[in-house]
Amino acid sequence: SQTIHQWPATLVQPVGSPLSLECTVEGTSNPNLYWYRQAAGRGLQLLFYSVGIGQISSEVPQNLSASRPQDRQFILSSKKLLLSDSGFYLCAWTEKGISTYEQYFGPGTRLTVT
Amino acid sequence: AQSVSQHNHHVILSEAASLELGCNYSYGGTVNLFWYVQYPGQHLQLLLKYFSGDPLVKGIKGFEAEFIKSKFSFNLRKPSVQWSDTAEYFCAVNRQKAGSYQLTFGKGTKLSVIP
Repeated sequence: SQTIHQWPATLVQPVGSPLSLECTVEGTSNPNLYWYRQAAGRGLQLLFYSVGIGQISSEVPQNLSASRPQDRQFILSSKKLLLSDSGFYLCAWTEKGISTYEQYFGPGTRLTVT
Repeated sequence: AQSVSQHNHHVILSEAASLELGCNYSYGGTVNLFWYVQYPGQHLQLLLKYFSGDPLVKGIKGFEAEFIKSKFSFNLRKPSVQWSDTAEYFCAVNRQKAGSYQLTFGKGTKLSVIP
């Protein structure tokens, strides 16, 4: 069966520090991968998605970047965190093909920028 | 641009009360619609989905949703809620973009069920 892992679970970082959040998927190959940010009362905002290794698309301009160095690994990064980067970050994956495939979400990382 | 609106930010119900959470979307083409649920401390998970056919869709834990194309709506219902239904509920619409299917989510509705 497929599983999705995210770490760390929680993170407290000062403004201006770098960030690296990791997401890995097991039990599938060549998935589409997604990074979302969830803020209270604002739902889930799609940040990045990837259809393959090295292929990253950004949905919104921001202080963050993403990379996909391996087929089932998706990394969210920042060189210098802002206070506004605080939030709950979710990674998700889906199989390629038809639109009926649901997205499967990871446990998330709670990021607090102080 | 495609958008999803959920009308209620927070709903508080007593156990055994009936539930209806509103969801409207703005998209003129063929849509795939989803309801996701996030129980406290758990992963976001799929509750039910609509792709085609019968507009009344049944999901897990006694939930159902009705797709009304003329109203661009996909409301979630449950005849009798339980305390364990306390969670945040998200409506989402699927769209295809650059080789990937992407979900546009509503802002979510927090449901609190009082025993």
